[in-house]
Amino acid sequence: NAGVTQTPKFQVLKTGQSMTLQCAQDMNHNSMYWYRQDPGMGLRLIYYSASEGTTDKGEVPNGYNVSRLNKREFSLRLESAAPSQTSVYFCASIEGPRGNQPQHFGDGTRLSIL
Amino acid sequence: AQSVTQPDIHITVSEGASLELRCNYSYGATPYLFWYVQSPGQGLQLLLKYFSGDTLVQGIKGFEAEFKRSQSSFNLRKPSVHWSDAAEYFCAVGRISGGYNKLIFGAGTRLAVHP
Repeated sequence: NAGVTQTPKFQVLKTGQSMTLQCAQDMNHNSMYWYRQDPGMGLRLIYYSASEGTTDKGEVPNGYNVSRLNKREFSLRLESAAPSQTSVYFCASIEGPRGNQPQHFGDGTRLSIL
Repeated sequence: AQSVTQPDIHITVSEGASLELRCNYSYGATPYLFWYVQSPGQGLQLLLKYFSGDTLVQGIKGFEAEFKRSQSSFNLRKPSVHWSDAAEYFCAVGRISGGYNKLIFGAGTRLAVHP
């Protein structure tokens, strides 16, 4: 019963490098999300995908791109990493659009950019 | 605009003591409310949720929360804290916005437990 799986768990990058964070869910959920977590700021939404084939910007999308590869997978790409993108990144999924459904979270990717 | 406030950044309690974590929200309609817990190095785990009905909701790990509409609050409580409860706790409001399910998180309260 994996739920939401994120890879890698840790990564260190140099400024200007690119990388892709992977997320997969095995719950047949329709909607998927990428958040970043910074001290004292809770979680902020970067991008979301309401359903397969759609993606939209969240609260803090600058410097990121996403791909909803299929219903299971939703990746987050940093094209040119900056120190301000040092953070913990969480992927989440939910069955559908109803507001009373809780989101299911992965264990996070801890990303440091030097 | 919707918002969630957790007034306490850090709380320290002794093991066996009671606990109350505060959460206040700003939302025009009936809110969907959640409490999540995050243990060090882990993701967020759902503790409990409120949608409607009984304003006192029970969750996992012995936690409960009470919805008070008049105070716009959804405080989390536990009668007797265990050392394993040391973690960060997040309150969140859920709603539909632009056709998608949106969660608005508070900044979190970090709980330390003294033996």
